[in-house]
Amino acid sequence: GAVVSQHPSWVICKSGTSVKIECRSLDFQATTMFWYRQFPKQSLMLMATSNEGSKATYEQGVEKDKFLINHASLTLSTLTVTSAHPEDSSFYICSVRWVFSTDTQYFGPGTRLTVL
Amino acid sequence: GDSVTQMEGPVTLSEEAFLTINCTYTATGYPSLFWYVQYPGEGLQLLLKATKADDKGSNKGFEATYRKETTSFHLEKGSVQVSDSAVYFCALSLLSGSARQLTFGSGTQLTVLP
Repeated sequence: GAVVSQHPSWVICKSGTSVKIECRSLDFQATTMFWYRQFPKQSLMLMATSNEGSKATYEQGVEKDKFLINHASLTLSTLTVTSAHPEDSSFYICSVRWVFSTDTQYFGPGTRLTVL
Repeated sequence: GDSVTQMEGPVTLSEEAFLTINCTYTATGYPSLFWYVQYPGEGLQLLLKATKADDKGSNKGFEATYRKETTSFHLEKGSVQVSDSAVYFCALSLLSGSARQLTFGSGTQLTVLP
């Protein structure tokens, strides 16, 4: 069964609005979650590393004020795209790192965001 | 910086054909190497991995060998099935700060025809 869930699976919003995407670890507690962005026919690009109880670590070039990450519990991390614009349209994927294996990540099914 | 290069797709094969998807990497340290698979409408799933040179990862008939001398981790399967149709991602993992981070290749779309 699924280890990681994301909600919603797809969302369409108007330009200028904010959208929240949830990532839940279903089978175990996750101190670390990752957020990726995937453009059509391209690879996954790491946006940020989300650590429970502390501020997220953003990759170079990712605006932390635009992509707000909150990891409030050991099973939930949220990504909020603030003041969304059409160029933010993408596929957003989260992953959860299994604490007993530093190499193993479990991925969510992704959220398709379309900004009109 | 660290990077992964994999063969461009799409790749279309007939059922029972032999599959090779090439993957090469550039890394400053000693990475772990992975193949992930993404079936339509689903999240990425770990297919196989290798953590050191000459290791062979295998799963579901797929194999890949960590070749340090050629910095490669090519994915192979002797006889593909229609159910293998998916996007395949090669990735490497290196320690960055306190956590290992994944760097992905661009993905290769595989379609297997009956």
